[in-house]
Amino acid sequence: SQQGEEDPQALSIQEGENATMNCSYKTSINNLQWYRQNSGRGLVHLILIRSNEREKHSGRLRVTLDTSKKSSSLLITASRAADTASYFCATDPGYSTLTFGKGTMLLVSP
Amino acid sequence: DTEVTQTPKHLVMGMTNKKSLKCEQHMGHRAMYWYKQKAKKPPELMFVYSYEKLSINESVPSRFSPECPNSSLLNLHLHALQPEDSALYLCASSQGGQGSYEQYFGPGTRLTVT
Repeated sequence: SQQGEEDPQALSIQEGENATMNCSYKTSINNLQWYRQNSGRGLVHLILIRSNEREKHSGRLRVTLDTSKKSSSLLITASRAADTASYFCATDPGYSTLTFGKGTMLLVSP
Repeated sequence: DTEVTQTPKHLVMGMTNKKSLKCEQHMGHRAMYWYKQKAKKPPELMFVYSYEKLSINESVPSRFSPECPNSSLLNLHLHALQPEDSALYLCASSQGGQGSYEQYFGPGTRLTVT
């Protein structure tokens, strides 16, 4: 069964703008991960945040985790057309199995 | 080498055929996974192999049969599939064992069952 729910389902922005995607989940986690998927291709790991971490950065990506609210957010700053993709959050209960959320489709227009 | 390879890229098969999907990684990862992804849906976990042993089977029908010949290879044998089994099949690997690890995904095999 799906663990995470992403919000919004779709997001359309202009290049240079920031994109924020949210993820909510239901059960306890060891870590939460974000992945990107370009149309019909394999997933690419973006960032992993452990349950005892609150914020993590990687380049233009910023991820927050609030375990009390069972929610996470992914912020992409200064977006580019190449960021156009589907973004999924995935929860790991602690034995390296992932349950993916429904995903957010991001469209960045030049 | 951080690549997971999958063959074939595309596969069309009839409901009476037997075919196999192959996955390979050379990162020394000890956990390997099969996922099924329908269009506009998230990946759904099918099987997990940990240290070459099947550790998780997410109630997948027996017409899907996984095999892990060695720590680098993962196969998915297909037999008597149904049209609703048409999907993108993704293989992934991770370091495995206790701890928090990201998964590395292959490009997938696009399967069409006619």
